Amino acid sequence: EAGVTQFPSHSVIEKGQTVTLRCDPISGHDNLYWYRRVMGKEIKFLLHFVKESKQDESGMPNNRFLAERTGGTYSTLKVQPAELEDSGVYFCASSPGLRWGPGYTFGSGTRLTVV
Amino acid sequence: TQLLEQSPQFLSIQEGENLTVYCNSSSVFSSLQWYRQEPGEGPVLLVTVVTGGEVKKLKRLTFQFGDARKDSSLHITAAQPGDTGLYLCAGTGGTSYGKLTFGQGTILTVHP
Repeated sequence: EAGVTQFPSHSVIEKGQTVTLRCDPISGHDNLYWYRRVMGKEIKFLLHFVKESKQDESGMPNNRFLAERTGGTYSTLKVQPAELEDSGVYFCASSPGLRWGPGYTFGSGTRLTVV
Repeated sequence: TQLLEQSPQFLSIQEGENLTVYCNSSSVFSSLQWYRQEPGEGPVLLVTVVTGGEVKKLKRLTFQFGDARKDSSLHITAAQPGDTGLYLCAGTGGTSYGKLTFGQGTILTVHP
């Protein structure tokens, strides 16, 4: 089966511009997560979708970040306007189950550089 | 806020040596997962441990979950150059099921 697909793989934008990241989870996975790793720090949780609903968005840094998952399939993460500190690698992950310790599958990530 | 302290941050060893990576927290986790990440790729799940005291083996890798479910370790026996990579521990717990709390990672280099 196809894995979790993220694109673009790299994006370089100027401060103040808008960027939209996309994640296609494994087909049939109800759970979709966004994580981010900024340089020198650990991977941090951003938010969790169950189907099209936001289950937990406690990790979203501020209101410049907007995540959507229309129809419960793919998800987008928009950053508007981008700031320098938004640079990092954004990972998407999906899982089928709702119990503890789900089997996560991560995408390869989008490396975002804000200059 | 749950935190996971992973150590060491860097590990450089010779082929054939043994090593242990540690993950510690003051918080209780419902499960602890270990991932391996290659450059340009996302983390790949190696194992999930869910029971205090649980030990799981994956070929030359041994994973242990502490009795109190606050710590975990990854032991590699007779390391090989192919084991080189970034190893990450991550826990689930608290009120947000599914949400992973990651350690900072251990960059392992095994020299031939």
